Amino acid sequence: DAGVIQSPRHEVTEMGQEVTLRCKPISGHDYLFWYRQTMMRGLELLIYFNNNVPIDDSGMPEDRFSAKMPNASFSTLKIQPSEPRDSAVYFCASSLYASGANVLTFGAGSRLTVL
Amino acid sequence: GDSVTQMEGPVTLSEEAFLTINCTYTATGYPSLFWYVQYPGEGLQLLLKATKADDKGSNKGFEATYRKETTSFHLEKGSVQVSDSAVYFCALSDPGGYGNKLVFGAGTILRVKS
Repeated sequence: DAGVIQSPRHEVTEMGQEVTLRCKPISGHDYLFWYRQTMMRGLELLIYFNNNVPIDDSGMPEDRFSAKMPNASFSTLKIQPSEPRDSAVYFCASSLYASGANVLTFGAGSRLTVL
Repeated sequence: GDSVTQMEGPVTLSEEAFLTINCTYTATGYPSLFWYVQYPGEGLQLLLKATKADDKGSNKGFEATYRKETTSFHLEKGSVQVSDSAVYFCALSDPGGYGNKLVFGAGTILRVKS
């Protein structure tokens, strides 16, 4: 398996623009997580899905953020409109509950810069 | 709520030195504990884990023992290498939560000099 695949790896955009980050989890995994990493706040869990259903979105900072998982092999995180304070590295991770003990496999991340 | 506290970095060591990175946690119930490592420009990857008290997780020369009495899971390595330079994250599973949710510490930067 190629692992968790995220795109784009780098995105530079201007304030007010819409940003869409994409994630392909490991085939067969039933959990998908979106994390945000910044120097100030470290790793924050934004939202996670189980079998494509959002379970907990309490970490989503504002209504400007939305996430979808239309099928088991694809998820998006959208920011509209983007703001400079959204600049961060966004990680997608997936896991298989049956494998036990919460082992997450992370993607390489999408580095977002909002000017 | 559940939380993880790690020693602040950066930790700077010479090659072959002994490493300890402290991690303590607060949780209701009986969480599983993890160390993840992040190399420059990459995502996090699992280094080791322990699922119950007194378990020792180990991998690539790193070890950590789940100490319920001190709510700790300190990471150790007897002889570090330059290639160990990375950010290390302690994490716990949310025992009261649903499924595989993890709570991470702030991360500790390790720099190893040759």
